Amino acid sequence: QVQLVQSGAEVKKPGASVKVSCKASGYTFTSYYLHWVRQTPGQGLEWMGIINPSGGSTSHAQKFQGRVTMTRDTSTSTVYMELSSLRSEDTAVYYCAREGSSSWFVNWGQGTLVTVSS
Amino acid sequence: EIGLTQSPGTLSLSPGERATLSCRASQSVTSSYLAWYQQKPGQAPRLLIYGASSRATGIPDRFSGSGSGTDFTLTISRLEPEDFAVYYCQQYGSSPLTFGQGTKVEIK
Repeated sequence: QVQLVQSGAEVKKPGASVKVSCKASGYTFTSYYLHWVRQTPGQGLEWMGIINPSGGSTSHAQKFQGRVTMTRDTSTSTVYMELSSLRSEDTAVYYCAREGSSSWFVNWGQGTLVTVSS
Repeated sequence: EIGLTQSPGTLSLSPGERATLSCRASQSVTSSYLAWYQQKPGQAPRLLIYGASSRATGIPDRFSGSGSGTDFTLTISRLEPEDFAVYYCQQYGSSPLTFGQGTKVEIK
């Protein structure tokens, strides 16, 4: 069955960067786009961006312009999301999610808690 | 950016009752590209409905979605104990993809 397994929780200081991984299994990695969504108590669910695992192209929400980088490694069926210049408002649970035949999210990772605190 | 407003914020109902959840968009959602998710504490969201009215694989038929344009509804015909959770709508017709703020269905 489809599984998305994310890396573990992180604690970072303001100004630092965090890199979260999401390892996919149970399907052909290059056949479905993957997204990153975060969840904060204040903002609820927030879409961050999308990556095409086949060619590596990405698109992200304007809010994260200049701060988010999404990459993939086809040899390990893993996608990565790096967020830089962290601030306290970036404290959230970060999810990767696989889309269906359009951009609804059929499968989700278990989530990675990123805490930004001095 | 398309804003999604869900109402009510909280719905207090008893098992066996009917739940009607609303999701209103700030502008028309392209091709009814709207999905609904259920989330329980400590878990990732779970897809219920896509394309406004298509049930995802394995979702019981007590869940149904309807609507078009700017007004969408998720109906749970008879609440089961496992249905008490938070429900979110999401539009994927235009970028950025956006979510509603959620409706909590709690036991009365």
